[in-house]
Amino acid sequence: NAGVTQTPKFQVLKTGQSMTLQCAQDMNHEYMSWYRQDPGMGLRLIHYSVGAGITDQGEVPNGYNVSRSTTEDFPLRLLSAAPSQTSVYFCASKIGISGNTIYFGEGSWLTVV
Amino acid sequence: DAKTTQPPSMDCAEGRAANLPCNHSTISGNEYVYWYRQIHSQGPQYIIHGLKNNETNEMASLIITEDRKSSTLILPHATLRDTAVYYCIVRGTVQGGSEKLVFGKGTKLTVNP
Repeated sequence: NAGVTQTPKFQVLKTGQSMTLQCAQDMNHEYMSWYRQDPGMGLRLIHYSVGAGITDQGEVPNGYNVSRSTTEDFPLRLLSAAPSQTSVYFCASKIGISGNTIYFGEGSWLTVV
Repeated sequence: DAKTTQPPSMDCAEGRAANLPCNHSTISGNEYVYWYRQIHSQGPQYIIHGLKNNETNEMASLIITEDRKSSTLILPHATLRDTAVYYCIVRGTVQGGSEKLVFGKGTKLTVNP
């Protein structure tokens, strides 16, 4: 089973560029989310989705957009990259709002110069 | 959300039991204790969770004190592959049902040969 798959694993962007981090899961999970992890900050929730067509903001949504056109995919878009968005990004999914086990992807390392 | 306190680091000999403590003195009655781990450069991995009873699965055991103010994760026979950062989390939610996992800094467990 593939689980949660993120691409790309590594990316370097110039300030002002835009890009999309892809996330796909093959577990038919309704709930998907994006986190960023910075040294000393733990994991912070960016955006989440409780099902296809439904998205909402987490703790740190500014500078990011998401969409959920299918159950399987939950891309994260950086509209105009800034050095403050240099981070490791993790996509996660679970079966539903009440699901207990969260499955994480392997992470995407993003550097904005 | 309840906060958790964990020692920053621990060492364990290969084949021995690793006992990782966690304090969560402000936990509320309906909050679960979750344990995740993060192996270097990988996404967090779910280990186990519990409410008030002790729990065991194929990976670990979770012992929660009767007053629920602390818990211990037990890896019964630690291997080198168990070297990771272990996070004790009390599950909290933000308004609307999003999953707000406060990971904190965790315990860096090093299993030595």
